[in-house]
Amino acid sequence: DAGVTQSPTHLIKTRGQQVTLRCSPISGHKSVSWYQQVLGQGPQFIFQYYEKEERGRGNFPDRFSARQFPNYSSELNVNALLLGDSALYLCASRVNPGGSGNTIYFGEGSWLTVV
Amino acid sequence: QKEVEQNSGPLSVPEGAIASLNCTYSDRGSQSFFWYRQYSGKSPELIMSIYSNGDKEDGRFTAQLNKASQYVSLLIRDSQPSDSATYLCAVNANTGNQFYFGTGTSLTVIP
Repeated sequence: DAGVTQSPTHLIKTRGQQVTLRCSPISGHKSVSWYQQVLGQGPQFIFQYYEKEERGRGNFPDRFSARQFPNYSSELNVNALLLGDSALYLCASRVNPGGSGNTIYFGEGSWLTVV
Repeated sequence: QKEVEQNSGPLSVPEGAIASLNCTYSDRGSQSFFWYRQYSGKSPELIMSIYSNGDKEDGRFTAQLNKASQYVSLLIRDSQPSDSATYLCAVNANTGNQFYFGTGTSLTVIP
């Protein structure tokens, strides 16, 4: 079975540009979350989506946005990139959005470098 | 106050020894607890989940949960060089959408 797939795996952007990251969840999983992991830190929650609806948002500025499509895949958009946005962006797949016992599984991540 | 705290390490143990990794959390409403392993340059991969007080064993790994003390631990028996990685503790409230992660503990197993 295919796991969580993300694209692109690596990308370099210039300050002020915009970036779109893509994610396909595990087959049968309907919830997708996005996390940002800065070097030396644990992943930080950005968004959760379920059935195309935003179900949670972390403490990130409005430059960050996301959406989920009918096939449960998702995109994360970041506008007006800052040097501090350089990080590993992780997509996490989950069967349902909440409830005890629901584990999240990560994709390989997208490494974003802002120069 | 951080939601989840871990000693950043580094923790070094000789091959074959037991590695003990610890984690505390602040939200008493937390219901689900997870350990992820992250190799350098890779994404986190799930090792174990635990939901009830006590011990849960899976091969060489044992997770321990004490909700009264708000404490979760991971024991790795017969440590191998391939266990060298950063171990992330994650916590999720029953109704919560997000997982809270610690900063991770770096483990090195010395051959």
